[in-house]
Amino acid sequence: GAVVSQHPSWVICKSGTSVKIECRSLDFQATTMFWYRQFPKQSLMLMATSNEGSKATYEQGVEKDKFLINHASLTLSTLTVTSAHPEDSSFYICSARRADTGNPGNTIYFGEGSWLTVV
Amino acid sequence: QKEVEQDPGPLSVPEGAIVSLNCTYSNSAFQYFMWYRQYSRKGPELLMYTYSSGNKEDGRFTAQVDKSSKYISLFIRDSQPSDSATYLCAMSVHGQFYFGTGTSLTVIP
Repeated sequence: GAVVSQHPSWVICKSGTSVKIECRSLDFQATTMFWYRQFPKQSLMLMATSNEGSKATYEQGVEKDKFLINHASLTLSTLTVTSAHPEDSSFYICSARRADTGNPGNTIYFGEGSWLTVV
Repeated sequence: QKEVEQDPGPLSVPEGAIVSLNCTYSNSAFQYFMWYRQYSRKGPELLMYTYSSGNKEDGRFTAQVDKSSKYISLFIRDSQPSDSATYLCAMSVHGQFYFGTGTSLTVIP
């Protein structure tokens, strides 16, 4: 199956600093990447959708200035949590939609997730 | 009304039991139906996908879609402790994906 790599797997940062999380599609090109947030024992919450070369589309209630998303290439998207605070501590997951298949059933692949702890 | 409804559980079954996981949906235009498995502290992985109505079998897993009832199911036969995870259903139309909230399953040895 397709592989989506997320880095770092976990990160601890001080309150007020910024943290960048990378999402890479290793063996396919991803026209679209999605960023989710997941609190313990809760469902995935879509934060934003990013298309290569264009601005991300944020879901209602997600601060675009706080969660900066860049999708500079067909294989890389980054999420930067700016001026992080303890309430930003969460599990962040990306997914990528591969562009080379006409079958929508097997186009979305998830990264392993990144645990962010802000202290 | 949410596009996709899924009972969050938790669901606890003994090893060897048959597990039935279900989702309902409201948009009759959905064409593709997916099931993802998410282990604790990991990203979801695609288990199976089906197109339109019908059944699809893969080993101990069977995905079933009933478009007339807007209802999909995932059956797990001979459940194993390693099947303990959260199972998310997902549906797509016109390139848009909609996820259920996930059902937490625990298989007790």
